[in-house]
Amino acid sequence: GAVVSQHPSRVICKSGTSVKIECRSLDFQATTMFWYRQFPKQSLMLMATSNEGSKATYEQGVEKDKFLINHASLTLSTLTVTSAHPEDSSFYICSARDVRGGIDEQFFGPGTRLTVL
Amino acid sequence: GQNIDQPTEMTATEGAIVQINCTYQTSGFNGLFWYQQHAGEAPTFLSYNVLDGLEEKGRFSSFLSRSKGYSYLLLKELQMKDSASYLCAVWDSNYQLIWGAGTKLIIKP
Repeated sequence: GAVVSQHPSRVICKSGTSVKIECRSLDFQATTMFWYRQFPKQSLMLMATSNEGSKATYEQGVEKDKFLINHASLTLSTLTVTSAHPEDSSFYICSARDVRGGIDEQFFGPGTRLTVL
Repeated sequence: GQNIDQPTEMTATEGAIVQINCTYQTSGFNGLFWYQQHAGEAPTFLSYNVLDGLEEKGRFSSFLSRSKGYSYLLLKELQMKDSASYLCAVWDSNYQLIWGAGTKLIIKP
């Protein structure tokens, strides 16, 4: 199946700094990528939908100025957590949509664990 | 390498019981998740198992055997709304999620 990678896998930062997380589709082009936040023992919370070449669509309650999303190419989307605070500590997961050959599937990345001190 | 296997598709009848299996080979283990995903929607958390045994939650139960690298999701009293994809995912030793490809469950009347 298709492979989606995230980098870094784990990051620890000081409060007030910004952190960039990359999501890459390694063997397919993804016109759409999704960013999720995972809370302990809860569902993945969709934060935003990232479309290549256009502005991301944010879910209600997600601050677009705090969580900057850029989808500059068909294989890369980035999520930047600006001025991070301890409450932003979480597990961030991306997924990429593959619509090759008539299929329409979503492939998930391994996640990035963010700890803000 | 790391690998998660689950059936691609299963079909069951409304009112019946279905068991979706998941086998895994990962570098370390910090728990196994089951998610339900309806088309076009975000995955919904169903269960998290880190210890061996069966955990029951309403119509859904999840079982884990760490020694066998095996889990299953059991759905009872199937309803049409249970038609969805069911994703198995494992946290490895570095808390990286290793995802299965998902099992598409089709419920027939």
